Amino acid sequence: DPKIIQKPKYLVAVTGSEKILICEQYLGHNAMYWYRQSAKKPLEFMFSYSYQKLMDNQTASSRFQPQSSKKNHLDLQITALKPDDSATYFCASSQDHCQDTQYFGPGTRLLVL
Amino acid sequence: AQKVTQTQTSISVVEKTTVTMDCVYETRDSSYFLFWYKQTASGEIVFLIRQDSYKKENATVGHYSLNFQKPKSSIGLIITATQIEDSAVYFCAMREGGFAQGLTFGLGTRVSVFP
Repeated sequence: DPKIIQKPKYLVAVTGSEKILICEQYLGHNAMYWYRQSAKKPLEFMFSYSYQKLMDNQTASSRFQPQSSKKNHLDLQITALKPDDSATYFCASSQDHCQDTQYFGPGTRLLVL
Repeated sequence: AQKVTQTQTSISVVEKTTVTMDCVYETRDSSYFLFWYKQTASGEIVFLIRQDSYKKENATVGHYSLNFQKPKSSIGLIITATQIEDSAVYFCAMREGGFAQGLTFGLGTRVSVFP
């Protein structure tokens, strides 16, 4: 069974709309993360949460808002979508130890038209 | 600021041989952690192996091993006895100490293993 679930797998959106990307992990981890992978760019760290509290935010735009309703959930709400937001968004989790290893979900591929 | 550089864009090797990939990093922290991940054709990102900066011994997991040269800020990945299934994009990543720190990734090296 998959340990980190991301929904949906593919998402097509219209410019200006709003979407929520879902992430659930069943690894018993306490820290969760969002990363973005765009064409010809390295995987880019966006947010980290620990025990449902925001730890680090490397995303300049307030259009990206993480939401944590449960310890093993970290959703990503994106508002006022732009074509440049087209990317694959990966959720990851770790035990939240200073020496932890992060494990990645399968990703959500977002296309903004 | 952290930075990770992978200069090799792609490497082609024959099955059952050894492939070596380079990675150079920059950090101001004295304590940091280095990771290698691979991304398969399906897009899945899989953790392979890690090296903690305070450990002198090179990490080894299965047919993956690391060449950690701390004075050169270098962490190379070595894959021995390559298989067709090792064809993927390999990413080097690092994070500094502290809780829930994000990873900084390199651009990746595409490895193609041919029969």
